[in-house]
Amino acid sequence: DAKTTQPPSMDCAEGRAANLPCNHSTISGNEYVYWYRQIHSQGPQYIIHGLKNNETNEMASLIITEDRKSSTLILPHATLRDTAVYYCIVRVNGGSQGNLIFGKGTKLSVKP
Amino acid sequence: EAQVTQNPRYLITVTGKKLTVTCSQNMNHEYMSWYRQDPGLGLRQIYYSMNVEVTDKGDVPEGYKVSRKEKRNFPLILESPSPNQTSLYFCASSAQGWVEKLFFGSGTQLSVL
Repeated sequence: DAKTTQPPSMDCAEGRAANLPCNHSTISGNEYVYWYRQIHSQGPQYIIHGLKNNETNEMASLIITEDRKSSTLILPHATLRDTAVYYCIVRVNGGSQGNLIFGKGTKLSVKP
Repeated sequence: EAQVTQNPRYLITVTGKKLTVTCSQNMNHEYMSWYRQDPGLGLRQIYYSMNVEVTDKGDVPEGYKVSRKEKRNFPLILESPSPNQTSLYFCASSAQGWVEKLFFGSGTQLSVL
């Protein structure tokens, strides 16, 4: 699975958009980008995933660059409850290896 | 409500006293997995199961056992716990072929004295 690089921490003002970057310059053509988040000591929560096209759901939007070497997770109107560690994971979809590898992620702090 | 249920939420025990952490899911998922999370080391996989009676080691299986006799349950067994197994444990499940979209339990904080 491709390696990802995320900033260790970011701040965001409540009500503003939070843009979390992820670099995955060695991503291969059949690897998807997945995002999870983990609110303090709770189990990680799946947010969104994508291959090439931008994706949006009720939680967030995912923007993947045309060369697929980086992506941005966007929380359009961050709230205090969005304070969490956000993990970007790159992986072949449905791969036979039964292990999803979580890196260190980005600690997002949403401030009033 | 779709969920992964772990019990207990908190557990304090002593070295060498066998314990079991239970995990149950109500989504008919084939895949289940156990992770442990430690400060500075992140989430590491202990064991996983692709289906009933099929289990395999993850990255840190030493000192742990699992079984998958039924689809919904995947207990984690510590036969002889040691202090280095003090950790936050998570169980997760997903539908077959979509290991990437995991549903996690609320966690079990284990302290081994």
